[in-house]
Amino acid sequence: DVKVTQSSRYLVKRTGEKVFLECVQDMDHENMFWYRQDPGLGLRLIYFSYDVKMKEKGDIPEGYSVSREKKERFSLILESASTNQTSMYLCASSLGGAGGIETDTQYFGPGTRLTVL
Amino acid sequence: GEDVEQSLFLSVREGDSSVINCTYTDSSSTYLYWYKQEPGAGLQLLTYIFSNMDMKQDQRLTVLLNKKDKHLSLRIADTQTGDSAIYFCAESMGATTTDSWGKLQFGAGTQVVVTP
Repeated sequence: DVKVTQSSRYLVKRTGEKVFLECVQDMDHENMFWYRQDPGLGLRLIYFSYDVKMKEKGDIPEGYSVSREKKERFSLILESASTNQTSMYLCASSLGGAGGIETDTQYFGPGTRLTVL
Repeated sequence: GEDVEQSLFLSVREGDSSVINCTYTDSSSTYLYWYKQEPGAGLQLLTYIFSNMDMKQDQRLTVLLNKKDKHLSLRIADTQTGDSAIYFCAESMGATTTDSWGKLQFGAGTQVVVTP
């Protein structure tokens, strides 16, 4: 089974703090994704990575950055946390490539609920 | 931009069938997914359907696809209290273009509440 883990289930930070959210997958997946989930808005893609050290902006990258130094680990960074970044953050990974359903299916971690005060 | 639409809420009695509807916008979508999210948890893949199929059945789950109307539905037979969750539909074009890179476009999710 694919296992995607996230470093914290709950996190409380103060406005202006630098925040790191970590995600690790154990299936040698090429693609990794960071989403935020807000009620009524569904999942919105923040950033994704299709290879080590490669990253692409998603739909809402402002206020965030990412790091992928190793294939299994994808970090989301809030350089200066703000209250409007209070949300549930979900990490996902997929095999990648152009082989079909097996390569595109995304597997999710349990999520990190971040509160910025 | 692309938009996947779902109704936000569905209430169903235990033992009845649930039908969750979704409309998607990209007729070239290759795969369509249903994910389930239980309270406080991440998303769990329930099932998927290829865009060249009309129907897929998997135990209590039936997925129907109307490609002409870009309408996707998930039917849960004999709904149980453990089916209470948020259900997301998602579409993927597959990694056929550099823009897609296997990205998924999600709907806002349908909250399903099962009452005894």
